[in-house]
Amino acid sequence: AQTVTQSQPEMSVQEAETVTLSCTYDTSESNYYLFWYKQPPSRQMILVIRQEAYKQQNATENRFSVNFQKAAKSFSLKISDSQLGDTAMYFCAFMKTKGGSEKLVFGKGTKLTVNP
Amino acid sequence: DGGITQSPKYLFRKEGQNVTLSCEQNLNHDAMYWYRQDPGQGLRLIYYSQIVNDFQKGDIAEGYSVSREKKESFPLTVTSAQKNPTAFYLCASSIFRPGNEKLFFGSGTQLSVL
Repeated sequence: AQTVTQSQPEMSVQEAETVTLSCTYDTSESNYYLFWYKQPPSRQMILVIRQEAYKQQNATENRFSVNFQKAAKSFSLKISDSQLGDTAMYFCAFMKTKGGSEKLVFGKGTKLTVNP
Repeated sequence: DGGITQSPKYLFRKEGQNVTLSCEQNLNHDAMYWYRQDPGQGLRLIYYSQIVNDFQKGDIAEGYSVSREKKESFPLTVTSAQKNPTAFYLCASSIFRPGNEKLFFGSGTQLSVL
């Protein structure tokens, strides 16, 4: 079974600075997808960024980028120029795509606070 | 606008009572999922369905039941057998489109025990 580990339960960063959230996962699959979801205080789950395992290039979405290290099974999220609206829970998630089964396995989350 | 609608937003259950959480989507997605969220636990999969009239147990299915009679609807029943039902429940859906795999989430239902 796949597992996802987020080793930082809580983090804080000053506005405009950069922060990196860690995520490691365990799988024997070769093809899969990795995600970072954001859950603000409203509790709505919002997709931040998505990485396909067969792509070597790291995904980027505006201020959000990932460092995907397939051999190390590591998938960290970097938030540049942090904004107050980035304050949220961040969940790393793994999806294997085999036989059309698209279940997401989540880590326990990192609570990020952006301070003014 | 297309999306996933969960209702109610808040729900209270009495001892020994079954309650049903609603999840409706108009995205024409094939697959639907139910996740449970507890503080410090992340999201755990309860049940999922890839096609109408078919569903599979997730990691924590005991004490829950589902049905998938329509593509748009995937209600979750929390039965009296679920001894610790207080949690935030999230419904999600996805479409099988290679290269565009991702889950879309509803806004959730907070279930509490009276």
